[in-house]
Amino acid sequence: DQQVKQNSPSLSVQEGRISILNCDYTNSMFDYFLWYKKYPAEGPTFLISISSIKDKNEDGRFTVFLNKSAKHLSLHIVPSQPGDSAVYFCAASHRSGTYKYIFGTGTRLKVLA
Amino acid sequence: DTAVSQTPKYLVTQMGNDKSIKCEQNLGHDTMYWYKQDSKKFLKIMFSYNNKELIINETVPNRFSPKSPDKAHLNLHINSLELGDSAVYFCASSPHSDSPLHFGNGTRLTVT
Repeated sequence: DQQVKQNSPSLSVQEGRISILNCDYTNSMFDYFLWYKKYPAEGPTFLISISSIKDKNEDGRFTVFLNKSAKHLSLHIVPSQPGDSAVYFCAASHRSGTYKYIFGTGTRLKVLA
Repeated sequence: DTAVSQTPKYLVTQMGNDKSIKCEQNLGHDTMYWYKQDSKKFLKIMFSYNNKELIINETVPNRFSPKSPDKAHLNLHINSLELGDSAVYFCASSPHSDSPLHFGNGTRLTVT
């Protein structure tokens, strides 16, 4: 039972345009969400997070949107750069102190120069 | 300086062998984790330790035994390796439950 889903395994975007990566979750108890970026042969690195009390969080070119009623979050990258080409994972947790993050399967973003 | 370091980076071994993967973090975090990324790219939690105490054990076969000698180290020992154990194993740490995880660069285990 995959509680966090990224239904698009890959995405190609032209440099300078917007990249939109999507993530859906099924567990309504999740209240903290994160996006990670992963380059080949490296571990995932934290990008941006959002708690369920917000519907938007912005950090430079990266914005995460949360739609709790739809159990959906998205990551917007504007403008996209070739260095953004990587695999992006969303993750979710319930802040109950269980220290447990559930990850999606990732979306491979390719930004074309 | 690498914040979360794991060794070895690559591990190739035969079925039935016993092997260990080591992890160390210099971030002063209280919580450490082991995640497994299988061939389908699922990143699944295996174990979590908080201040050397096991707090998550996700239905992992008991051939897998984590050991935390202190809160900066979390090692993973695997007995009687099987083909299905082939995966990338990631160590991670976090200061507390609602903080992002910091991952190591992974150990690619190949069982032949």
